[in-house]
Amino acid sequence: ELKVEQNPLFLSMQEGKNYTIYCNYSTTSDRLYWYRQDPGKSLESLFVLLSNGAVKQEGRLMASLDTKARLSTLHITAAVHDLSATYFCAVDDSGNTPLVFGKGTRLSVIA
Amino acid sequence: NAGVTQTPKFRILKIGQSMTLQCTQDMNHNYMYWYRQDPGMGLKLIYYSVGAGITDKGEVPNGYNVSRSTTEDFPLRLELAAPSQTSVYFCASSWGQGGTEAFFGQGTRLTVV
Repeated sequence: ELKVEQNPLFLSMQEGKNYTIYCNYSTTSDRLYWYRQDPGKSLESLFVLLSNGAVKQEGRLMASLDTKARLSTLHITAAVHDLSATYFCAVDDSGNTPLVFGKGTRLSVIA
Repeated sequence: NAGVTQTPKFRILKIGQSMTLQCTQDMNHNYMYWYRQDPGMGLKLIYYSVGAGITDKGEVPNGYNVSRSTTEDFPLRLELAAPSQTSVYFCASSWGQGGTEAFFGQGTRLTVV
């Protein structure tokens, strides 16, 4: 059974600081997805990582994938309040199963 | 382009009542999914479909049923609502099952009292 674990589950960080969210998974998949969810809203796709070593960047967020370590990271650079949201990683088990989600990391950026 | 549309957005049900959550997508996606989201628990897969006429159980299918008569529509049926089904339900769709991101509807917040 595919398991996806995120940490931390809660993160409070000051504006301007850097931090990393970690996503570990239990299979050999090379397909990992990051989503953002604002309170009371739906999930919005952030990044699609489809190979070992893949790196994607959008603004202050950068995601990477290490399939050998079964680890993806979402790095936040110089956090701003607008980044406050819940971030989910999800793994596709080599095309055999639908996405399995982690529990999410609730990020709060404070002044 | 509407994407994935869910109705209703909110609903309160009494224990034992039935209802259907509607989901339609206009992206011609083959794959469709129903997830439920409980506070602090991430998303759990209820049912999914890889094409019209084909459905399969996910992690938490008990108490639910689905059908997929067309590519566009994937309704979720609750036959005998129970308090444990109080949750937020998300429908999603994707081109395929591997290597393609899923697009989500706006969600249905269901309360069973």
